[in-house]
Amino acid sequence: DAGVIQSPRHEVTEMGQEVTLRCKPISGHNSLFWYRQTMMRGLELLIYFNNNVPIDDSGMPEDRFSAKMPNASFSTLKIQPSEPRDSAVYFCASRQGQANSNQPQHFGDGTRLSIL
Amino acid sequence: GDSVTQMEGPVTLSEEAFLTINCTYTATGYPSLFWYVQYPGEGLQLLLKATKADDKGSNKGFEATYRKETTSFHLEKGSVQVSDSAVYFCALSDRGNNRLAFGKGNQVVVIP
Repeated sequence: DAGVIQSPRHEVTEMGQEVTLRCKPISGHNSLFWYRQTMMRGLELLIYFNNNVPIDDSGMPEDRFSAKMPNASFSTLKIQPSEPRDSAVYFCASRQGQANSNQPQHFGDGTRLSIL
Repeated sequence: GDSVTQMEGPVTLSEEAFLTINCTYTATGYPSLFWYVQYPGEGLQLLLKATKADDKGSNKGFEATYRKETTSFHLEKGSVQVSDSAVYFCALSDRGNNRLAFGKGNQVVVIP
């Protein structure tokens, strides 16, 4: 039973470059979440989608960050241009059920992003 | 807003010792409560959950009871193993806003 799949697992790039992180949620899950994890700030919710529609993007740090979900099986998080302070581990999670479900979220293994 | 507070600092203990990690929460509604575990280099995995007051979640020898009167959801295990070394996150989900609010996590190190 495949879990949430993220790619790449690691990304190292230079400041100013565009970065695209990818996520494939668990089949049948209605909601998808993007998180950022750093030592200083812990886990932060960036944005979440329900039925492919962005519901809450208030956690997106600034206009350099954008996220899309073109279909139920794929989402991207893009940073353009990237900055060293964007270095973090980015997690994608998916959840079954409707918007107010109390079902748990299932996490991918994350993308470790380093901006030099 | 909704929030979760976990005890400060890492926890280091010997194999077969008793583990407790404290978690308290603040929520306006009736949240569901979760414990997630993160092993090195991996994503978070659901460890256990409780959806209403007095529910006890349990898994892999870990337990936590939803205490509405003390707004707590402390994690316990009677006899830890080296393989339990990981970071443990307490979280709540309020049906009203769909967000999972996480605590800052506790690093647990079990020494043989």
